[in-house]
Amino acid sequence: GDSVTQMEGPVTLSEEAFLTINCTYTATGYPSLFWYVQYPGEGLQLLLKATKADDKGSNKGFEATYRKETTSFHLEKGSVQVSDSAVYFCALTRPSGGSYIPTFGRGTSLIVHP
Amino acid sequence: KAGVTQTPRYLIKTRGQQVTLSCSPISGHRSVSWYQQTPGQGLQFLFEYFSETQRNKGNFPGRFSGRQFSNSRSEMNVSTLELGDSALYLCASSFTPLAGGQKTDTQYFGPGTRLTVL
Repeated sequence: GDSVTQMEGPVTLSEEAFLTINCTYTATGYPSLFWYVQYPGEGLQLLLKATKADDKGSNKGFEATYRKETTSFHLEKGSVQVSDSAVYFCALTRPSGGSYIPTFGRGTSLIVHP
Repeated sequence: KAGVTQTPRYLIKTRGQQVTLSCSPISGHRSVSWYQQTPGQGLQFLFEYFSETQRNKGNFPGRFSGRQFSNSRSEMNVSTLELGDSALYLCASSFTPLAGGQKTDTQYFGPGTRLTVL
C-alpha cells in the first residue's frame, strides 16, 4: 500500500537558518504530493502541493520539488522564523473510486529559536 | 470564503458516554472526511462522505459512525466512549464537481475538536 516516510523530529534551528525536512513516499502510479502545516492547537493547513514529476510547489518561502526518480518531496526554506515553529506533514493522494484520501507521514516538529 | 468549521472545539466526556461532533465544509464542497489524530498513531482516516453517502471507510470499530446532510454538513458519532478515544478529531472538505468537471485532490481542514475521555 501507499506510505509516506518523514524524518523524525524535533528539528531545532536558530532563526534565519536553512531548513530541510525530508520526505519519501511509496505509491504506484503518479500521486499528488502535499505539505501541510499544523500550528499548536489548530488543524492542518495546506502549505504547498505538486501534482506531477519535476513540479515545484512553493508558498510563504517554503519550496518542495516532486522527484519521481528518488520518490521524494523534501521541504526547504532558506531562512526560518520563530513563527514557522509547527508540525509539518508530508502527504500523498491517488485517485480511488472518485476519492482522494491522503496518506500522511507521521509529522516532523520544527522548533525555531530566536 | 469561510473555511471548514467544527463544533465544539473542546469536549470532555466520561467512559461509556457517547458524543456527536459537527463539521461544516467550505461552501460548494460536497466531500467531507474525518480523521483521528493522536500522538501515538498520528493521523488516521475514519470515513468520507459524499452526497449523503459514505464513500470510504477507514479501519475503525463500529462505535464510530457518521452521516452527511443534504447541505453537505456532516456529523460523526462515537458511542460507548473509551479512554483511547481521546484525540483531536479533524474534518476536511474537498471540492467534487458535477459530472465532467475536473476533480480536485486537495483537502482543506478545520481546526478540529479536542475530545478528552475521562
